[in-house]
Amino acid sequence: GAVVSQHPSWVICKSGTSVKIECRSLDFQATTMFWYRQFPKQSLMLMATSNEGSKATYEQGVEKDKFLINHASLTLSTLTVTSAHPEDSSFYICSATLAGGPSDTQYFGPGTRLTVL
Amino acid sequence: SQELEQSPQSLIVQEGKNLTINCTSSKTLYGLYWYKQKYGEGLIFLMMLQKGGEEKSHEKITAKLDEKKQQSSLHITASQPSHAGIYLCGAVSNFGNEKLTFGTGTRLTIIP
Repeated sequence: GAVVSQHPSWVICKSGTSVKIECRSLDFQATTMFWYRQFPKQSLMLMATSNEGSKATYEQGVEKDKFLINHASLTLSTLTVTSAHPEDSSFYICSATLAGGPSDTQYFGPGTRLTVL
Repeated sequence: SQELEQSPQSLIVQEGKNLTINCTSSKTLYGLYWYKQKYGEGLIFLMMLQKGGEEKSHEKITAKLDEKKQQSSLHITASQPSHAGIYLCGAVSNFGNEKLTFGTGTRLTIIP
């Protein structure tokens, strides 16, 4: 149980285009979903926290107009990287907390590798 | 803000040997999580510790949280190739705060 999927698993796009990444909780309803990015050989950095039906809360230094987050349902959150540039190339990972479960335990998706040319 | 320091940064261990990874916090922890990550993949939840002095085990992996709740260790007994990967500790600093801060990570390599 508590499986989180991400789609796509990898994407290559041209500079200036927008890319949407989906995060789904497959077998549970998620009260909260988190978006992280990870650079090579570095740890995960939290980008934003999203709750279903409300605006995402962004961490300091993360541009909300560039990284659009939509949390449409209790099982789906999307991250759209708008007008992507090579410096946005990274590994993006989402996680979800289980509604009704220990509120702190996050279950992670497999990640999406974004390469911007 | 909370900072988590992991040591060592990387570890190469012969198969069958024991090893320990440490995670030290600059602040008292509310909850401490251990995750494992294979390169280019997501994180696998291993264990969560919350009480000072708590210890949990799963198969050959044991995690402990010290009494002051500022340091945790992850111990692997009789390491196997399947244990290879990146180990990350993550912490929640306050009750009701779900945001995880991650440690710097420890890259574990198991050699036959």
